[in-house]
Amino acid sequence: GQNIDQPTEMTATEGAIVQINCTYQTSGFNGLFWYQQHAGEAPTFLSYNVLDGLEEKGRFSSFLSRSKGYSYLLLKELQMKDSASYLCAVRGGGSSNTGKLIFGQGTTLQVKP
Amino acid sequence: EAQVTQNPRYLITVTGKKLTVTCSQNMNHEYMSWYRQDPGLGLRQIYYSMNVEVTDKGDVPEGYKVSRKEKRNFPLILESPSPNQTSLYFCASSNPGFGPQHFGDGTRLSIL
Repeated sequence: GQNIDQPTEMTATEGAIVQINCTYQTSGFNGLFWYQQHAGEAPTFLSYNVLDGLEEKGRFSSFLSRSKGYSYLLLKELQMKDSASYLCAVRGGGSSNTGKLIFGQGTTLQVKP
Repeated sequence: EAQVTQNPRYLITVTGKKLTVTCSQNMNHEYMSWYRQDPGLGLRQIYYSMNVEVTDKGDVPEGYKVSRKEKRNFPLILESPSPNQTSLYFCASSNPGFGPQHFGDGTRLSIL
């Protein structure tokens, strides 16, 4: 089967660093995405990894290890506005559904003052 | 501005009354998809389209129909809505095989 696991909830302090982990087991792999979603709003794209290693984008970084089926999203210098759900998604639709994203349930991050 | 536009944003209706949620994108994307999002279940794909006149079922297609007559539009049709279709719906588009999916603002449907 296809499965993506991430913690349900996390809490961190403003100004701190937080790491959100994601493990996946999918029948195909064509990249891993992280999205941010505020309550009731659309998911917005944060980062994309297709090769092993770290991708850095300002305060956000994402890491991928394909051999371990593992990724993490690192958020630095946390701000109150970072309180949101973070969705891990794998593109693994095979040749017949090349755009398909398989989503984890999301990690709700609460940033406290 | 590059965007995916869904309408309506909110709808309360009754069981059995046919409804259509429209989705339009202005990025010339080939791939379009509909998802529903429910608490504890995450985002699940309903239907997708690889290009004009090419559509197929996703993971939860029962009770839904779609069409892709033009590249920019991908409406979601509920022929006979039922209460278990109460959910938050998102349309998304991308170029197949690469690049992130861009999501519309969502449509919150309540079927009474």
